[in-house]
Amino acid sequence: DGGITQSPKYLFRKEGQNVTLSCEQNLNHDAMYWYRQDPGQGLRLIYYSQIVNDFQKGDIAEGYSVSREKKESFPLTVTSAQKNPTAFYLCASHLGESYNEQFFGPGTRLTVL
Amino acid sequence: AQSVAQPEDQVNVAEGNPLTVKCTYSVSGNPYLFWYVQYPNRGLQFLLKYITGDNLVKGSYGFEAEFNKSQTSFHLKKPSALVSDSALYFCAVRDSAPTYSSASKIIFGSGTRLSIRP
Repeated sequence: DGGITQSPKYLFRKEGQNVTLSCEQNLNHDAMYWYRQDPGQGLRLIYYSQIVNDFQKGDIAEGYSVSREKKESFPLTVTSAQKNPTAFYLCASHLGESYNEQFFGPGTRLTVL
Repeated sequence: AQSVAQPEDQVNVAEGNPLTVKCTYSVSGNPYLFWYVQYPNRGLQFLLKYITGDNLVKGSYGFEAEFNKSQTSFHLKKPSALVSDSALYFCAVRDSAPTYSSASKIIFGSGTRLSIRP
């Protein structure tokens, strides 16, 4: 099956720890995105990457970091600098032209204890 | 700057009745418009999109949306609601700029929770 996988589904972290969320896609999409979703709110863009070895900050990049070493993988690291990291994190990918829709992974729920 | 608004946080409809979820947008060029649905603790699923052509777009699960350029709206509709349609719905807009430009970012609305009562 083609699609986007995110792991783990649930993640617990102690304050002060860095944690990395996995996102993998086998859709051969060039562009990948990370969003944060808080209860009752919409999606906020953290980082996006349009090609391998290149990525740009989104609207709320502070306290997060990414890498894009392979086309199919776009891991997100939530660092200790992120003041309020508890949220639902969604990864998405997108093929080529801007009129194509985004495909979303199932999400990772991060809770800071 | 691009923006999208979903003016209703929640829409309540009785099963079998028609439903409408509202969306208005603002872009500098021609818009690409999308609707997504999200079930609890899941990712977003694509429902339908408008690129060009026919103003009435049909999508998954019996949903359709009408593009109105003069009112800059793209409301989601369904003739007869089902309880299983209860979910969070997101409208999104993208400027028809080249993909590899910053203007091509997709912007999501804040979401509308649709609740269908039996």
